[in-house]
Amino acid sequence: DAGITQSPRHKVTETGTPVTLRCHQTENHRYMYWYRQDPGHGLRLIHYSYGVKDTDKGEVSDGYSVSRSKTEDFLLTLESATSSQTSVYFCAISESAGGGAKETQYFGPGTRLLVL
Amino acid sequence: DAKTTQPPSMDCAEGRAANLPCNHSTISGNEYVYWYRQIHSQGPQYIIHGLKNNETNEMASLIITEDRKSSTLILPHATLRDTAVYYCIVRVAGIGGADGLTFGKGTHLIIQP
Repeated sequence: DAGITQSPRHKVTETGTPVTLRCHQTENHRYMYWYRQDPGHGLRLIHYSYGVKDTDKGEVSDGYSVSRSKTEDFLLTLESATSSQTSVYFCAISESAGGGAKETQYFGPGTRLLVL
Repeated sequence: DAKTTQPPSMDCAEGRAANLPCNHSTISGNEYVYWYRQIHSQGPQYIIHGLKNNETNEMASLIITEDRKSSTLILPHATLRDTAVYYCIVRVAGIGGADGLTFGKGTHLIIQP
């Protein structure tokens, strides 16, 4: 299994509070991704990173920001959490954009976030 | 990325081979076929991928038809731990993170004891 950890694994917070989720990898992969998974919507890309300090928006980026100051860490921040951001959040990594095996994405165990 | 069609659910007896079909009739020449699975409450798990040729690894085999319009994932000796939702994904090579993986509804494979 790819060396990906996510923290915290579970979090309950209140509307309006800031929340930061952390993804840590030990594979030295260049690309990192944040997805959310909701019933009826499948997995949706929030943001991704293609290198240290290099990030871009995904399909559902509103209300989220990210940062990557080190290769191994990718942080997802909800500046002011809302109930619509209650979800399961998955981090993924891939080696590069070279197609085939290099683009294979490996997923972390997920963080369950409940915003009350 | 090309669209994929999978049956919503399948049953298989423990110890038998599980054959999961996927239709991707609009696939283009530079698109790979990837298979992932998701066991309840866990992160998606990569299984195998291929472009044209059949592929085998320690988890499964992937059979791609000659016209590349469909493929079959084979779990040779299914166990109860293989009960999961299996996703077939077609993805253009070389675009990196520009588009996230698109997981459709997948096939819910239930292994019966």
